[in-house]
Amino acid sequence: SQQGEEDPQALSIQEGENATMNCSYKTSINNLQWYRQNSGRGLVHLILIRSNEREKHSGRLRVTLDTSKKSSSLLITASRAADTASYFCATGTGANSKLTFGKGITLSVRP
Amino acid sequence: GAVVSQHPSRVICKSGTSVKIECRSLDFQATTMFWYRQFPKQSLMLMATSNEGSKATYEQGVEKDKFLINHASLTLSTLTVTSAHPEDSSFYICSARDVQGNYGYTFGSGTRLTVV
Repeated sequence: SQQGEEDPQALSIQEGENATMNCSYKTSINNLQWYRQNSGRGLVHLILIRSNEREKHSGRLRVTLDTSKKSSSLLITASRAADTASYFCATGTGANSKLTFGKGITLSVRP
Repeated sequence: GAVVSQHPSRVICKSGTSVKIECRSLDFQATTMFWYRQFPKQSLMLMATSNEGSKATYEQGVEKDKFLINHASLTLSTLTVTSAHPEDSSFYICSARDVQGNYGYTFGSGTRLTVV
């Protein structure tokens, strides 16, 4: 069953702009992860944030987690055309638990 | 970093035949692997959790006799789609986690199955 709900479902921005994607979930989690998928390919792990963390950075990525609101956001700064892809949030309930994925956000970055 | 190899990347088969998809962890051991199915422009739906040396755990609604999973070693899990039908056409992706690493999961590159 779906756990995460991302919004917006589709986002189109100009190169150089920031892209913000949101994810909400329903149940208690141990961690939340963001993945990227290029068309017809596998998923690439971007960043993981644990339930006791509020913010995490990795390069041009910034992830926040608000467990009280059961929501997370992924910010990509200074976007590039190569960032065009689908982005998924996924929640895990334990160290080796299965992941439950959201519906995904399609990001288009115009050159 | 952790690498998961999935093979084949594309396969076309006739209705009624069986297809085997392999998922290998190349540089780490994975006691647990996961098999997902993804329809076009949709999210990943977990089909089953593959456990090394024991039976797979299937999600509700997934036919275990149709989607056979074998996880005979710490680096290999296979998914066999038996008696394939056109409605089985989909993108199948496996994933695994390096138990000695962080909680991030590594995904295979996926298998595009087309049943004609």
